[in-house]
Amino acid sequence: DGGITQSPKYLFRKEGQNVTLSCEQNLNHDAMYWYRQDPGQGLRLIYYSQIVNDFQKGDIAEGYSVSREKKESFPLTVTSAQKNPTAFYLCASSVSGDYNEQFFGPGTRLTVL
Amino acid sequence: AQKVTQAQTEISVVEKEDVTLDCVYETRDTTYYLFWYKQPPSGELVFLIRRNSFDEQNEISGRYSWNFQKSTSSFNFTITASQVVDSAVYFCALRRPNYGQNFVFGPGTRLSVLP
Repeated sequence: DGGITQSPKYLFRKEGQNVTLSCEQNLNHDAMYWYRQDPGQGLRLIYYSQIVNDFQKGDIAEGYSVSREKKESFPLTVTSAQKNPTAFYLCASSVSGDYNEQFFGPGTRLTVL
Repeated sequence: AQKVTQAQTEISVVEKEDVTLDCVYETRDTTYYLFWYKQPPSGELVFLIRRNSFDEQNEISGRYSWNFQKSTSSFNFTITASQVVDSAVYFCALRRPNYGQNFVFGPGTRLSVLP
């Protein structure tokens, strides 16, 4: 089945530790995205990538980093510089083109203790 | 600046009632795209519909219908004869052309359909 996988579903980390969230897609999509969702709020864009080896900052990139070494993979690292990392993180991908919808993964809920 | 407003934070209805979720957007672009997504308790967003700014035809898909009115910058979503399985958070989103193909999401409306 084609789709987007994110692992793990739940992640706990101690304050001050970096943590990497996995996102893999087998939809052959060029574009991939990371969003953060806080309770009662919409999704906010962290980073996006339109092609391998290229990515751009979104609205809330501070304290996060990404890489895009392969078309199907777009991991997100939450660094210790992120002041409030506890949130629900969603990865998405899409076919290139303004009209196309984004497909979302199941999300990772990160809790920093 | 682009912005999406969903003024209804939470709505509760009894099964079989009709319910309308409001979405108002702001953009200076003449070409833009609007989307609705459903987020069930599992967390994954599910695509429901898209509409481009040049197509103001309303659309019906089963129990779902959408009313797009450029004059009021609104893109409202109606569920007819609601069911418990419709309980979810619904997001309206605006896509910004020529900006990395990404979306501006509204804050979402939590719909609870009671049996």
